[in-house]
Amino acid sequence: QSALTQPPSVSGSPGQSVTVSCTGITNDRVSWYQQPPGTAPKLMIYGVSNRPSGVPDRFSGSRSGYTASLTISGLQADDEADYYCSSFTSGSTPVLFGGGTKLTVL
Amino acid sequence: QVQLQESGPGLVRPAETLSLTCTVSGDSISNGFYWAWIRQPPGEGLEWITTINHIGTTYYNSSLRSRVTISVIAAKNQYSLSLTSVTAADTAVYYCARQLDSGYWAFDIWGRGTMVTVSS
Repeated sequence: QSALTQPPSVSGSPGQSVTVSCTGITNDRVSWYQQPPGTAPKLMIYGVSNRPSGVPDRFSGSRSGYTASLTISGLQADDEADYYCSSFTSGSTPVLFGGGTKLTVL
Repeated sequence: QVQLQESGPGLVRPAETLSLTCTVSGDSISNGFYWAWIRQPPGEGLEWITTINHIGTTYYNSSLRSRVTISVIAAKNQYSLSLTSVTAADTAVYYCARQLDSGYWAFDIWGRGTMVTVSS
């Protein structure tokens, strides 16, 4: 069982904003990945709020206490995917993934 | 443009060893990044397995450590994964991925993944 907890699913209509949460965060080395069906994950956010080159600024990350969040604004149909958080940990396994959240665009 | 490509058998018998190779193109594997293996069982989430850096320092998932080996084959610009004593629970898509070397433990470039089934 993952030490990072995500809601199983979220949904929103085109143009709206949605937020995916990830609890169990203890530091700023948080990343978010987008995985459309049948494809490899894609890095969307690292270091809580940094976007790699090419990732639209509709995707933003934040952290408050033990919860990190990924917000997608101006929702589009091709945002529909599974989203995973990950974080560095000080335990015996240095990086953990959350269980994933399925985003449905209505 | 850096690309990663996994290769290896798609079927492994129980109790045997799973061996995969990741070929890196577009950059030298010795150029300072870290290199990782991550897997995803069918219908499930992601699980980090192991990482190696350019000077050979290795990191392992504690739950798999006793069965996993990662190594770099610099001459071929490849790195490999070995997982011993496999069971059906090791059936998964296995991804190789480049890890940012900045301490973020983030994976910025992924291979397409290779499905490995453990079955007799």
